[in-house]
Amino acid sequence: AQKVTQAQTEISVVEKEDVTLDCVYETRDTTYYLFWYKQPPSGELVFLIRRNSFDEQNEISGRYSWNFQKSTSSFNFTITASQVVDSAVYFCALSGDSNYQLIWGAGTKLIIKP
Amino acid sequence: EAGVAQSPRYKIIEKRQSVAFWCNPISGHATLYWYQQILGQGPKLLIQFQNNGVVDDSQLPKDRFSAERLKGVDSTLKIQPAKLEDSAVYLCASSLTVGDEQYFGPGTRLTVT
Repeated sequence: AQKVTQAQTEISVVEKEDVTLDCVYETRDTTYYLFWYKQPPSGELVFLIRRNSFDEQNEISGRYSWNFQKSTSSFNFTITASQVVDSAVYFCALSGDSNYQLIWGAGTKLIIKP
Repeated sequence: EAGVAQSPRYKIIEKRQSVAFWCNPISGHATLYWYQQILGQGPKLLIQFQNNGVVDDSQLPKDRFSAERLKGVDSTLKIQPAKLEDSAVYLCASSLTVGDEQYFGPGTRLTVT
């Protein structure tokens, strides 16, 4: 069975701090994909990144970075120098080549205080 | 490039009434998804289309929910009759094909009273 665990329900930090959102996954598929989505208070889910299981290189996009480690089945997301606009619920998701349905984590609510 | 369009954005109905939601995916996207998101939870897939065929509707409550994508582009999701527990945000998403990243519309917030 496939599963995504986001153990942090809510994180609150002060602006400019770095923050890491954890994501641990379970799958039996050899080929799978990991995703992060952002859902700001407006409600629209915004795609951030897609990573396939054969690419373990870390990804950096501006203040965002992702650390994929197959050895620990984790795909963690770090925001450097956080800003108030980063406040949102962040979802980690997984799909595998067995059926490609997205399996979602419960989400982590990130609050950035000014 | 235009994103996924949905309408209406908000809808309030009484229980036992019917309601329909419309979605227009990103041009060229073959796969279309309808999700239900209850406050504080992740999205739950209701139905997935590949072009105009249903790929997965295992979590669609078929006694009251129906969806169609007749020409492989726009889609409608209908609830008839609505129940109080149907109050949620209904999200439409599309992707180039199955397994690709999904792009979401703004959602329709449904309140059933």
